[in-house]
Amino acid sequence: EVQLVQSGAEVKKPGESLKISCKGSGYSFTSYWIGWVRQMPGKGLDWMGIVHPGDSHTRYSPSFQGQVTISADNSINTAYLQWSGLKASDTAMYYCVRRSSSSVHDWFDPWGQGTLVTVSS
Amino acid sequence: QSVLSQPPSVSGSPGQRVTISCTGSTSNIGTGYDVHWYQQLPGTAPKIVIYADTNRPSGVPDRFSGSRSGTSASLAITGLQAEDEADYYCQSYDTNLSGWLFGGGTKLTVL
Repeated sequence: EVQLVQSGAEVKKPGESLKISCKGSGYSFTSYWIGWVRQMPGKGLDWMGIVHPGDSHTRYSPSFQGQVTISADNSINTAYLQWSGLKASDTAMYYCVRRSSSSVHDWFDPWGQGTLVTVSS
Repeated sequence: QSVLSQPPSVSGSPGQRVTISCTGSTSNIGTGYDVHWYQQLPGTAPKIVIYADTNRPSGVPDRFSGSRSGTSASLAITGLQAEDEADYYCQSYDTNLSGWLFGGGTKLTVL
């Protein structure tokens, strides 16, 4: 079974750094792009960016470029999303997703269970 | 601006048919990029229910169907059931964004 399992919920203070993870299993991890999607409380879905674990190539949404860093370690089948200085507005649920192939027509499946990040002083 | 517009809410009684629209533009749906639909049950991660405009993943009931025309797409659910109550999101690629775009989401209420 193809599965993405994310790290647990985090509570942080403004200005702190954070790295959350997403471990893939049940497929060839280096063959599929992994993306991150934000869902702020009570709001919709925002595509943040993607990484190709095979060569670490990344693409970011303009809204998130420079705000976060997406990376992957294919030796442990894990992708990451990190912040160097959290803001209260980063409070959200973050999902990792597997891109269906390497086409612009791609969809995202499966989704991880989500990691809730709370930033509060 | 790159946007996929959905109605905030739709509702229907058990057994009825409902449709959810997704209106884009010439930078996304209108260019011919595929449209996909996700269902998000309360407190859970989204799940794909329609991919590439009209295709259902295995395990998704045939009560769910997708269509597209011009710069819009639609998700139809027939024989509405209580378990269908969820938020639904459309998704497509956008050339202005050089990335993927989600609709704002539609809350389906089963009366």
